[in-house]
Amino acid sequence: EAQVTQNPRYLITVTGKKLTVTCSQNMNHEYMSWYRQDPGLGLRQIYYSMNVEVTDKGDVPEGYKVSRKEKRNFPLILESPSPNQTSLYFCASSFLGAYEQYFGPGTRLTVT
Amino acid sequence: AQSVAQPEDQVNVAEGNPLTVKCTYSVSGNPYLFWYVQYPNRGLQFLLKYITGDNLVKGSYGFEAEFNKSQTSFHLKKPSALVSDSALYFCAVRDGDSNYQLIWGAGTKLIIKP
Repeated sequence: EAQVTQNPRYLITVTGKKLTVTCSQNMNHEYMSWYRQDPGLGLRQIYYSMNVEVTDKGDVPEGYKVSRKEKRNFPLILESPSPNQTSLYFCASSFLGAYEQYFGPGTRLTVT
Repeated sequence: AQSVAQPEDQVNVAEGNPLTVKCTYSVSGNPYLFWYVQYPNRGLQFLLKYITGDNLVKGSYGFEAEFNKSQTSFHLKKPSALVSDSALYFCAVRDGDSNYQLIWGAGTKLIIKP
C-alpha cells in the first residue's frame, strides 16, 4: 500500500530533551516536506527536500533540523525542544511537478 | 508574496443542501490550486487540483471547484452535502512558475447537520 508513515504518533517530552520524528514513504517520491499545524494558522512549512542530500528551509525552520540521506526517509530533529514547539506535525511527499502531496497520519508533540 | 485566504472559520449546512467553501489566493505567477480535507485525528487527504484547462475541476467524494482568474478564487462546492462530509477543509496554492512550496489557508470547518 502506498503510504507515508510517521513515528511516533504521540510524544510528550520535556524542554531540552532531543527528539527525532521519523518519516518514511514508499512511493519513490522526490519531494518531501515537514509541516506543523496550529489552530487558526493552517499548515506552515518547516523544511522541505527536493531530493537526496538536498534540503531547504520553509517558513518556520527555527529550532528544527532535517536530513535526507535516503530517498524514502526524511527525519525531523528537535535538538532542544521548547514549549512553543508543541504542535501537530505532518510529513508529506510527492513527485516533482504539478502533483498533489501525500500526508502521513501526523505526530502530536507536547513539550512541557 | 503568495497568500491564501479562507474567509470562513466554519460553514454550517443542512444535509442534502448544496455547500460552498470559499478560497481566494494571491500569487505572482501561474496558480496551481489544491483542496485537501482533514478528518478528525487523520492526516490530510487530497481532494482536487487546478493546474490548467477547464475552470471547473471535479475531485473525490463528489466535490468540485471552480477556478475564477478574475476574482482569484477557487471555491469548493458539492451539490448535495452528506453528514460524512463534516471535516476541516484546506485550500493551498503554489506558484507554478517558481518553486514547489505550497501556501496554505487557515482551514474551514464544515459541519453538515442531519
